Amino acid sequence: TQLLEQSPQFLSIQEGENLTVYCNSSSVFSSLQWYRQEPGEGPVLLVTVVTGGEVKKLKRLTFQFGDARKDSSLHITAAQPGDTGLYLCAGVPNTGNQFYFGTGTSLTVIP
Amino acid sequence: DAGVIQSPRHEVTEMGQEVTLRCKPISGHDYLFWYRQTMMRGLELLIYFNNNVPIDDSGMPEDRFSAKMPNASFSTLKIQPSEPRDSAVYFCASSLIGGTATEAFFGQGTRLTVV
Repeated sequence: TQLLEQSPQFLSIQEGENLTVYCNSSSVFSSLQWYRQEPGEGPVLLVTVVTGGEVKKLKRLTFQFGDARKDSSLHITAAQPGDTGLYLCAGVPNTGNQFYFGTGTSLTVIP
Repeated sequence: DAGVIQSPRHEVTEMGQEVTLRCKPISGHDYLFWYRQTMMRGLELLIYFNNNVPIDDSGMPEDRFSAKMPNASFSTLKIQPSEPRDSAVYFCASSLIGGTATEAFFGQGTRLTVV
């Protein structure tokens, strides 16, 4: 059972374009993270959001946690080739202390 | 700190052989997770430990898989006997869970190929 569904699964865009990745669940999470994974490496944390409705910005990346703490989005402005990678959302449920990872979005930014 | 250390980085074995994957978590972290990543199924949680005690092994695919954490600085994931469908990248991660400190730190993974 996949608790977190991401969309789109694959995304290929031109440098300079904007994009949004979505992470949806029917479960409530106490916190939600976004990770980026490059080939041959493990995922690396980008951001953690803990409050419903919270918005965090990391340079050209904007992360939002849904009001009900069930979903999240990642928006990238003016994408660059260095943004290429696999983006994963992960949630820590209200009960239990494990990380459930989403299905992943593979992003390719073409120069 | 060197981060989470996994060994070996790559493992090729024949079907039916025993495979042991190793992990050294970050010192001071009280949670350790084993994940398996494939193109088809993404990143799946297999088992996790808290203070060396297995808490949830419901993600372990079958009895051929076992995991141990004999002390706070070492864990193993064993597959016996291995099958071709076990081919995947296996990640170990460690964490301190609570509030804004919640983050999973991953090792570089072990790429397992069973032929």
